[in-house]
Amino acid sequence: AQSVTQLGSHVSVSEGALVLLRCNYSSSVPPYLFWYVQYPNQGLQLLLKYTSAATLVKGINGFEAEFKKSETSFHLTKPSAHMSDAAEYFCAVIKNSGTYKYIFGTGTRLKVLA
Amino acid sequence: DTEVTQTPKHLVMGMTNKKSLKCEQHMGHRAMYWYKQKAKKPPELMFVYSYEKLSINESVPSRFSPECPNSSLLNLHLHALQPEDSALYLCASSPNPRGGGETQYFGPGTRLLVL
Repeated sequence: AQSVTQLGSHVSVSEGALVLLRCNYSSSVPPYLFWYVQYPNQGLQLLLKYTSAATLVKGINGFEAEFKKSETSFHLTKPSAHMSDAAEYFCAVIKNSGTYKYIFGTGTRLKVLA
Repeated sequence: DTEVTQTPKHLVMGMTNKKSLKCEQHMGHRAMYWYKQKAKKPPELMFVYSYEKLSINESVPSRFSPECPNSSLLNLHLHALQPEDSALYLCASSPNPRGGGETQYFGPGTRLLVL
């Protein structure tokens, strides 16, 4: 069954430091994987997605993620954190139940320290 | 226009009230979703509409009643809710219900408080 695990419910980084948010997936078939960001009191916004094209996926706001089949991982990175990156980040995998639906990870709250 | 709109933004209701949440998109998407999100938790899928027909109901209590009057509009009717139903209710849409890699576009949500 498809699922995702996000390691670290809270991550703190200094402004300008590398951001690394971890996501591992479990899937019996090649997965579709997504990273979404949620700012306080807002909906979710797509950062990037993997759909079996390039393994290194570039997204919005300077984020990117690399699909590693051998490690069943899809970690999200950004070279230099900005205060505006503080938010909740969700990894998601697609599950096909006749109709496709997302299975979300538990989320990682990113805090950026000045 | 890549926007999903939701009204109202905030809603306070008593346990005997009847209210409705509204979601609208004009992107021509044929899949629409209702999610419930509690604080510090991921969104939980409630319902999926595919080509205006209910295709997934995640065992949601009958006090929540979805409706899809047309391809642009999705409603969630609320009746006799409980305080534990207080949450952020998110609507989303995606182009093709049968497309595996489809992006879901989320609205800003309705913050519901049940007293």
